[in-house]
Amino acid sequence: TQLLEQSPQFLSIQEGENLTVYCNSSSVFSSLQWYRQEPGEGPVLLVTVVTGGEVKKLKRLTFQFGDARKDSSLHITAAQTGDTGLYLCAGAYGTASKLTFGTGTRLQVTL
Amino acid sequence: KAGVTQTPRYLIKTRGQQVTLSCSPISGHRSVSWYQQTPGQGLQFLFEYFSETQRNKGNFPGRFSGRQFSNSRSEMNVSTLELGDSALYLCASSLAPNRAGKQYFGPGTRLTVT
Repeated sequence: TQLLEQSPQFLSIQEGENLTVYCNSSSVFSSLQWYRQEPGEGPVLLVTVVTGGEVKKLKRLTFQFGDARKDSSLHITAAQTGDTGLYLCAGAYGTASKLTFGTGTRLQVTL
Repeated sequence: KAGVTQTPRYLIKTRGQQVTLSCSPISGHRSVSWYQQTPGQGLQFLFEYFSETQRNKGNFPGRFSGRQFSNSRSEMNVSTLELGDSALYLCASSLAPNRAGKQYFGPGTRLTVT
């Protein structure tokens, strides 16, 4: 069974702080996605990374894919209250279409 | 372009009943996947359909089934409901299979089994 571990599980920070969320697996991904989910809604795709060592930026969010394609990180600079939500990493293995989701990181950003 | 739509958004059923959930993918998307989300297990893959054929199946009992129609719309059915089936059921669509990195999710159907 392929498992995706995310850390930390919960994070409560103040607006303006920086944070990093980690996603780790013992298996190699063919691609990895990061989603954000708000209560009562489905996950919204933030980014897809495919190449080992790849770095992608989305405004204040920076996503990194590990060189060995087994891990990834999401860094948020100067967090805002609008960043509050559940952050999920999801990996695809080989050519399979199904996504294996991480355990999730619940982020709360307060004023 | 309209996103993935799921109906109904909320549903309350009693143990032993069956339920059918519906998903309309983004226009032009032909692959539909279903996931179950619970607080304890997180998001777990149920199955994937493409061209009216099930291509992939997760580790769920046979009470969970699905189908896809020629217009790519999909339904999933759960028979003989159990309390543990209470969850948010999410549908995701993509242009084609093997495009896991481009799956877009609907808002989900919240199923409560009493």
